[in-house]
Amino acid sequence: EVQLAESGGALVQPGGSLRLSCAASGFTFSNYWVTWVRQAPGKGLEWVANINQDGSEKYYVDSVKGRFTISRDNARNSLYLQVNSLRAEDTAVYYCARDLRAVYAMTLVSYFDYWGQGTLVTVSS
Amino acid sequence: SFELTQPPSVSVSPGQTASITCSGETLWDKNVCWYQQKPGQSPVLVIYQDTKRPSGIPERFSGSNSGNTATLTISGTQAMDEADYYCQTWWDSSTAEVFGGGTKLTVL
Repeated sequence: EVQLAESGGALVQPGGSLRLSCAASGFTFSNYWVTWVRQAPGKGLEWVANINQDGSEKYYVDSVKGRFTISRDNARNSLYLQVNSLRAEDTAVYYCARDLRAVYAMTLVSYFDYWGQGTLVTVSS
Repeated sequence: SFELTQPPSVSVSPGQTASITCSGETLWDKNVCWYQQKPGQSPVLVIYQDTKRPSGIPERFSGSNSGNTATLTISGTQAMDEADYYCQTWWDSSTAEVFGGGTKLTVL
């Protein structure tokens, strides 16, 4: 059974840092892209970042570039998100998800087929 | 920047058909997927690659994509389908992944 479990969320002051973790099991972690998606309280889903199988490709939403860093440890079946210079608007539940992608008819197919339960990051003084 | 536009809310009577739209520039050229999220739960993939259903998703869920609009259709809507629904696509290597703003489906 595919499982993803996030941890590391906390209450942090503006300007602070956290490291979020996502432990994967039930599939060959090193064969898949993985992604972080966040959801502010009462708001919609926002894609944050993703990373390819060996960590050589990383993409970020503009609002977190230069502040967040995605990484992975395939030996530990783990995904990470280092979040620095936190702002009130970063307050959200952060989900990790398995990221399926392929090229079909010359276009990229991308979707998130398994999600974790989320970890809450609250930025407040 | 690229945006996907969804209606904030859609209402449907039990047993009727619900249609939720997702609009975006040249969306016909992209592959769209849909997620269902119930209160307090993580999102669940219900449609991928415009029209395909993952294993375990009921046949009453279907998808289409034409022109600038993708549509999630729920036939014979049940009370358990009441949830928020989000469309999502990969736009390009600069923008990467984009979600629509979400649609709250009410079954009444």
